Amino acid sequence: SAVISQKPSRDICQRGTSLTIQCQVDSQVTMMFWYRQQPGQSLTLIATANQGSEATYESGFVIDKFPISRPNLTFSTLTVSNMSPEDSSIYLCSASGHRYEQYFGPGTRLTVT
Amino acid sequence: AQSVTQLDSHVSVSEGTPVLLRCNYSSSYSPSLFWYVQHPNKGLQLLLKYTSAATLVKGINGFEAEFKKSETSFHLTKPSAHMSDAAEYFCVVSDQIKAAGNKLTFGGGTRVLVKP
Repeated sequence: SAVISQKPSRDICQRGTSLTIQCQVDSQVTMMFWYRQQPGQSLTLIATANQGSEATYESGFVIDKFPISRPNLTFSTLTVSNMSPEDSSIYLCSASGHRYEQYFGPGTRLTVT
Repeated sequence: AQSVTQLDSHVSVSEGTPVLLRCNYSSSYSPSLFWYVQHPNKGLQLLLKYTSAATLVKGINGFEAEFKKSETSFHLTKPSAHMSDAAEYFCVVSDQIKAAGNKLTFGGGTRVLVKP
């Protein structure tokens, strides 16, 4: 299994600002993903982070709001841009492992005031 | 297209009694199915997975789930609940096609309360 770390673990940000979340995997992985978990809700896939090419976004999520980088096979970043209180959520990254498993990071708890 | 419905948003059980968490799925292809657990303020932990092998799948911490294609169900059970089982549980489906990029679709979650 892969071990995934995220930074920061939590943050409180003012509306209109941006926050970049980092995700580090302890081994090379093909697929990395970013999810959002709004308060009291389930997880929703934001995008697939593709190494060497643009991320693939799910319906309802756009690159201008959630730019993603994937410079190599162990690292990815998600930026939440021009934040509003509605962006207050837990953001989780995951990496795809053997036999369709995905391993999740601990999440970044974001509060926008 | 794939989707997951967890039939109970909350389940309350007494310690030592059985736990049943119900999950129905929809998938256009042969699915992989998973159960994840999320303890308060913790990340997601994989409990067990089904990927077209044995239909009865055993996972960690005494949990197991049975894949029933005819019923499109993947219910999670444990014979005897422990206080540490209090958490949120997610049923998850993934279509087994490479083009889908192994995307996961999460159910709405079931919050389990264990009473002493």
